[in-house]
Amino acid sequence: AQSVTQLDSHVSVSEGTPVLLRCNYSSSYSPSLFWYVQHPNKGLQLLLKYTSAATLVKGINGFEAEFKKSETSFHLTKPSAHMSDAAEYFCVVSRLTGANNLFFGTGTRLTVIP
Amino acid sequence: DTGVSQDPRHKITKRGQNVTFRCDPISEHNRLYWYRQTLGQGPEFLTYFQNEAQLEKSRLLSDRFSAERPKGSFSTLEIQRTEQGDSAMYLCASSLAAAYNEQFFGPGTRLTVL
Repeated sequence: AQSVTQLDSHVSVSEGTPVLLRCNYSSSYSPSLFWYVQHPNKGLQLLLKYTSAATLVKGINGFEAEFKKSETSFHLTKPSAHMSDAAEYFCVVSRLTGANNLFFGTGTRLTVIP
Repeated sequence: DTGVSQDPRHKITKRGQNVTFRCDPISEHNRLYWYRQTLGQGPEFLTYFQNEAQLEKSRLLSDRFSAERPKGSFSTLEIQRTEQGDSAMYLCASSLAAAYNEQFFGPGTRLTVL
């Protein structure tokens, strides 16, 4: 079985300050892990993915995430928030191989204060 | 346009009516997924196809729901005798079978059942 817990439903940061969105996962299999972003009235967009290669994963728009197996975590970070980062962020787990679907967390809404 | 497309984008219907949604995946993708997203929640898996074969269905997919992908290209999702609880965003995604389940999402169809 697989599941994801996003520890904060809402995070608020000031523009130019660091962003940290927390995610813990549970998986019976070797996991693939993803972060997706959803802007209002837009489709889900993949930010980054972990697929058993490097544990520090870099994504688009300056985001990165670190896979920590011992902590079963995959937190998303960005050094400096931009106004355009305001959106809903979903942490997602899947099986690394084989046919399967994505398991989404409940999402974290990021607000960026000017 | 090489992205996933969905039609219609919005559908308002009365309780008890049937509705059908269409999804056109990225052309070379052999896997196609349907998800449902309710307000304030992450997407939940409904079903997926590899080519024309429907390989997995969630328990969320009641008998009133049926999905097809007749030629392994576009897919349709039909809901019969709609209920107010069916109101949600219905998302379609596609992927290559050997791409660590990196799924590309369409913009979704928002269903409102009155």
